[in-house]
Amino acid sequence: NAGVTQTPKFRVLKTGQSMTLLCAQDMNHEYMYWYRQDPGMGLRLIHYSVGEGTTAKGEVPDGYNVSRLKKQNFLLGLESAAPSQTSVYFCASRRDGGVVAEQYFGPGTRLTVT
Amino acid sequence: QKEVEQDPGPLSVPEGAIVSLNCTYSNSAFQYFMWYRQYSRKGPELLMYTYSSGNKEDGRFTAQVDKSSKYISLFIRDSQPSDSATYLCAMSRYGNNRLAFGKGNQVVVIP
Repeated sequence: NAGVTQTPKFRVLKTGQSMTLLCAQDMNHEYMYWYRQDPGMGLRLIHYSVGEGTTAKGEVPDGYNVSRLKKQNFLLGLESAAPSQTSVYFCASRRDGGVVAEQYFGPGTRLTVT
Repeated sequence: QKEVEQDPGPLSVPEGAIVSLNCTYSNSAFQYFMWYRQYSRKGPELLMYTYSSGNKEDGRFTAQVDKSSKYISLFIRDSQPSDSATYLCAMSRYGNNRLAFGKGNQVVVIP
């Protein structure tokens, strides 16, 4: 049981490049989330999904897109990366019927945009 | 005013001491109050949560919520070097998917 995994672990992008971050969970969780963590800012919600085929905006959605084509996967896309998107990105998931607090986090993806 | 305020520290204590962490918040609609622990270069993990007011104890950890003062606390008794981590408070309204996080408080327990 791997829990929540994230790919890649590290990435360096040039301004204007695009990339996709992959989150996978093997716990059959309905809810999945993408956060970014910046020094002095705490964790902020980018987008989330309440089930396969659904997505919703979080606190800081601009510049990101997401897709949830399969229940176990949640993809975060950056179409045209900017230096302001340099951050550590965390994915999380939780089961339906659980409380919002019980989120399981992945190990993170460290992204640098130059 | 930010929804959740948490002094980022860092906080250094000798092994065996009591660690006291706290957060204040402005949104009176918050009903769930959580503490996450995050080791360096790892994802956060849920330590404990409480619903509404009151205290909750789990081993060496005690969480307190004072809704009248909009203030939550986490106490770690008999602190160990393995407790060295960043502790994040988070809050949520009932039925809401969004967690509002504090900035995190770095704790170092010195052997």
